[in-house]
Amino acid sequence: ELKVEQNPLFLSMQEGKNYTIYCNYSTTSDRLYWYRQDPGKSLESLFVLLSNGAVKQEGRLMASLDTKARLSTLHITAAVHDLSATYFCAVTNSGYALNFGKGTSLLVTP
Amino acid sequence: ETGVTQSPTHLIKTRGQQVTLRCSSQSGHNTVSWYQQALGQGPQFIFQYYREEENGRGNFPPRFSGLQFPNYSSELNVNALELDDSALYLCASSFMAGPPYEQYFGPGTRLTVT
Repeated sequence: ELKVEQNPLFLSMQEGKNYTIYCNYSTTSDRLYWYRQDPGKSLESLFVLLSNGAVKQEGRLMASLDTKARLSTLHITAAVHDLSATYFCAVTNSGYALNFGKGTSLLVTP
Repeated sequence: ETGVTQSPTHLIKTRGQQVTLRCSSQSGHNTVSWYQQALGQGPQFIFQYYREEENGRGNFPPRFSGLQFPNYSSELNVNALELDDSALYLCASSFMAGPPYEQYFGPGTRLTVT
């Protein structure tokens, strides 16, 4: 069974600070996804990482993938309030089912 | 380009009843997956449909069933509703076996079972 662990589960950070969310998974995976979810809303796709060493950046968010360590990171640079949300990583090794972590609830405060 | 749509947005059912949720996939996508997200949890994979056939299933009982239609829209049916079925139900559409491998989620249907 493919297991996905995220940490931390809760994160409160000040505006302007940097921080990293970690996503570990238990077995070989084809792809790794990062999603954002606002309260009461659906999932917004942020990144899809396909290969070892992949790095993608969008605005203040940067995601990377180390398939040998079975680890992905989501780095937040100079956080702003608008980034407050829950962030999920998900992996698949079957081509269809996404296995999600429990999510990291991020709160950015002034 | 039309995104993924779901209906209804909310509904309330009584334990033991049956419910049907609907999903229209994004234009150009041929695969629909359904997920259940309980409050405070990550989504859990229910099943996926490709070319009108079930293409994979998660750890959900048979009372969770689905259909995919020739236009790639899909239904999720849940029989004999239980209180624990209360959750946000999400569908995601994608293009099987090809890049960019994105799975795009619809807005969800929030089901409350009383």
